[in-house]
Amino acid sequence: GENVEQHPSTLSVQEGDSAVIKCTYSDSASNYFPWYKQELGKRPQLIIDIRSNVGEKKDQRIAVTLNKTAKHFSLHITETQPEDSAVYFCAASIRGSYIPTFGRGTSLIVHP
Amino acid sequence: DAGVIQSPRHEVTEMGQEVTLRCKPISGHDYLFWYRQTMMRGLELLIYFNNNVPIDDSGMPEDRFSAKMPNASFSTLKIQPSEPRDSAVYFCASSPESGTGPPREQFFGPGTRLTVL
Repeated sequence: GENVEQHPSTLSVQEGDSAVIKCTYSDSASNYFPWYKQELGKRPQLIIDIRSNVGEKKDQRIAVTLNKTAKHFSLHITETQPEDSAVYFCAASIRGSYIPTFGRGTSLIVHP
Repeated sequence: DAGVIQSPRHEVTEMGQEVTLRCKPISGHDYLFWYRQTMMRGLELLIYFNNNVPIDDSGMPEDRFSAKMPNASFSTLKIQPSEPRDSAVYFCASSPESGTGPPREQFFGPGTRLTVL
């Protein structure tokens, strides 16, 4: 089955800095890569996703890049704000499967 | 739509007791997922249903865990008997059918925080 590794487990930045979270996956048949944000005590919510037919996708201050050859994808947050503080999960789904494999999560702390 | 609804939001019980968690998916969604979240193990998929039929229950940790989906608008996750190591946050999520395309977004419920003493 698919295996997703996520790094770092904790990331601490100053407000205004950029934050990058990286994930690798094992199965080259994966073709859908969502990112979820979970604020403290809340439910995970999708913030951005990318499909294997594109290399990059951007939505305001967040962007995701995908390198299919290397089997890794990353989340980039620019101009971080305290409200960006949360746990971020990457995931990968194999083509034809509805089961996403989640990474272990990254706790992002943005210091004002 | 109110989103995915779960009940109860918090459950405290004693070891050995039966626990039943409930979920109402978003209307029209064909897929329903049960997850368990702990600090040690992260977010684990326990089981998922498609059109009320269990498709993959390989994540269910033991026979003490069982899940049902009697109709399109209701699912339960039961633990009997419960043990302290079952303490976790249990999320239900639903997702619409995407045909031949890649999977669609999962919509999570607010979760049930279970504490087994």
